[in-house]
Formats: sequence, structure tokens, C-alpha cells
Amino acid sequence: NAGVTQTPKFRVLKTGQSMTLLCAQDMNHEYMYWYRQDPGMGLRLIHYSVGEGTTAKGEVPDGYNVSRLKKQNFLLGLESAAPSQTSVYFCASTPGGTGANVLTFGAGSRLTVL
Amino acid sequence: GQSLEQPSEVTAVEGAIVQINCTYQTSGFYGLSWYQQHDGGAPTFLSYNGLDGLEETGRFSSFLSRSDSYGYLLLQELQMKDSASYFCAVRDRVTGGGNKLTFGTGTQLKVEL
Repeated sequence: NAGVTQTPKFRVLKTGQSMTLLCAQDMNHEYMYWYRQDPGMGLRLIHYSVGEGTTAKGEVPDGYNVSRLKKQNFLLGLESAAPSQTSVYFCASTPGGTGANVLTFGAGSRLTVL
Repeated sequence: GQSLEQPSEVTAVEGAIVQINCTYQTSGFYGLSWYQQHDGGAPTFLSYNGLDGLEETGRFSSFLSRSDSYGYLLLQELQMKDSASYFCAVRDRVTGGGNKLTFGTGTQLKVEL
């Protein structure tokens, strides 16, 4: 059972380049989330989805877009990368109902923007 | 919006007991969770409190007081492998159904010999 898989694990971008981070889960979870983690800042929610075809903004959505065309996948896009987006990005998922208390995280994607 | 406060660092010796506090401000509160994260790793779920009181899971316990908007994580019989960051997170309702978790900034626990 793979759980939550993020690709790529590492990426270096130049300012202004675009890229997409892919999150895939094989647990049939309803909810999916993208967080970024910076030193001393904890985990901050970028965007989330409460089901296939839905997306919503979290606390730091600017500069990012997301899509959830299939239930198992949640994509995070950076249209024009900026150095401020250098961070570690974590995807997470939860089932609905009482299981929504427990997030399962991917291993993280470390992004550096030069 | 939501905000959570927890200490940035705690140091304790192996075998001791340590308590990590978390205070929060939020609306539509569902419950308080705790996650552990080792350096370079992903956060992993430890405990959840939806109701007031104590939840125990092995060496770890978590407490919630909804009236005080306060909770804590208690780690007993500390081991070196417990050195990690610990995050509290509040679960609250969102428009359109579902829920989301907002995390605190984390407490780095250092366990010394």
C-alpha cells in the first residue's frame, strides 16, 4: 500500500519558470490538502479539496493553483515561480466522516527557486 | 481565522515526562490533533481529542479543554527517539462541507541523556 505519493521529491527552478507537483493517494480518501513548510512557520495550508472536482483556498493560496480532476490525484501548480516559494511542500489526505481526524502525509517535495 | 500557540522548544532528559501545551483560537471547532515530525520526515498522526478530557495511547496522552481553548500532549518515559517536532492542529468546518486542519508552528523537543 503506497499511501500518499508525491512527485517530484526535489526540484530546482529559476524565477519565472512553471511546474506542477503531483500528489496521488490510493486509499480512496475524500479530502486532499497541500501544505508548505518553512523554518519556524509550521505547516501552512495552501489549497485543499473536499472531493473530486472541488478545490478551495487555504491560508496562503497566492501564486498557486490546484486541480482535482480525479479523486486520487491532487495537483499543485506554480505558474511563475518566485524565490519566496522555496519551501518543502507536503500533500495529505483524509477519508470523510470520523476518519477525517487523521491526515496521512506524503514524504514531501523540496522546491528551490533561484 | 484560526491561530494556535505552542512553545518553540522544550528540552528534557531520557526517562522523564514532558508536557507540550497548545492554546487556540478558531471558529467551528471540531477537535484538536497532535502530529510528530522527525527531521527530514513527514508529519505523522499521534492523537486526537474531539471531546474534553484525556486520551491515552501508550506513552503518549493528549488532553483537551474546550472551554479554555487549551490542550496538551504528554509524553512519558521519554526516549531519545522522541526527539522531534510536535505540532498541534485544530480541525474546523469549512463552507461547502468537509473540514480542514490548521497547524501550530510546532514545538521542537530535544531529549538528552
